[in-house]
Amino acid sequence: GAGVSQSPSNKVTEKGKDVELRCDPISGHTALYWYRQRLGQGLEFLIYFQGNSAPDKSGLPSDRFSAERTGESVSTLTIQRTQQEDSAVYLCASSPYSHRGSTGELFFGEGSRLTVL
Amino acid sequence: TQLLEQSPQFLSIQEGENLTVYCNSSSVFSSLQWYRQEPGEGPVLLVTVVTGGEVKKLKRLTFQFGDARKDSSLHITAAQPGDTGLYLCATGDNYGQNFVFGPGTRLSVLP
Repeated sequence: GAGVSQSPSNKVTEKGKDVELRCDPISGHTALYWYRQRLGQGLEFLIYFQGNSAPDKSGLPSDRFSAERTGESVSTLTIQRTQQEDSAVYLCASSPYSHRGSTGELFFGEGSRLTVL
Repeated sequence: TQLLEQSPQFLSIQEGENLTVYCNSSSVFSSLQWYRQEPGEGPVLLVTVVTGGEVKKLKRLTFQFGDARKDSSLHITAAQPGDTGLYLCATGDNYGQNFVFGPGTRLSVLP
């Protein structure tokens, strides 16, 4: 498809298990963002990629969270030893560019809903 | 990282009414974007404002950027049930990193 694709759309897991969430950005978009949205809340910035590089990982909530991007395309967000407070919708967005003084439009996927029992 | 405040947090109005929601920061915005998010979907861009004092119109929606570029407002005229959703303002630093969103205004327009 032409839009941002995320998988799985829904994931139910047990506390302590690891989960991997995948994001396929729009082809050619160099910037990629991950956000977390808890129920009824706004978007919490997690990490930003420019190409394959993540200049700032300070938004990741703990060392249980990690993310990578390969080939300037697919990105994966991994959560190790999941906790109940990790339950949220994880949104991925891509943008055609990001340069000094301006950010292009962010195109979002529909998100991956994670439930930790 | 720039922090954004939005008000009101919740707004419930009748169809046909007018409303205004606000986005503020203690820091100057390099640029500001407004998004709308409907249930079960990701946010969708409504507008980008860059110049202080700028006014942009999108059908019944009017966006203003403060002269000092530290605040913005979204005004909806004659609201319709289709306007229901979460309205988010967002901004980034000069390099597009830390592109952050405000907490949002959750709007409900009742028929």
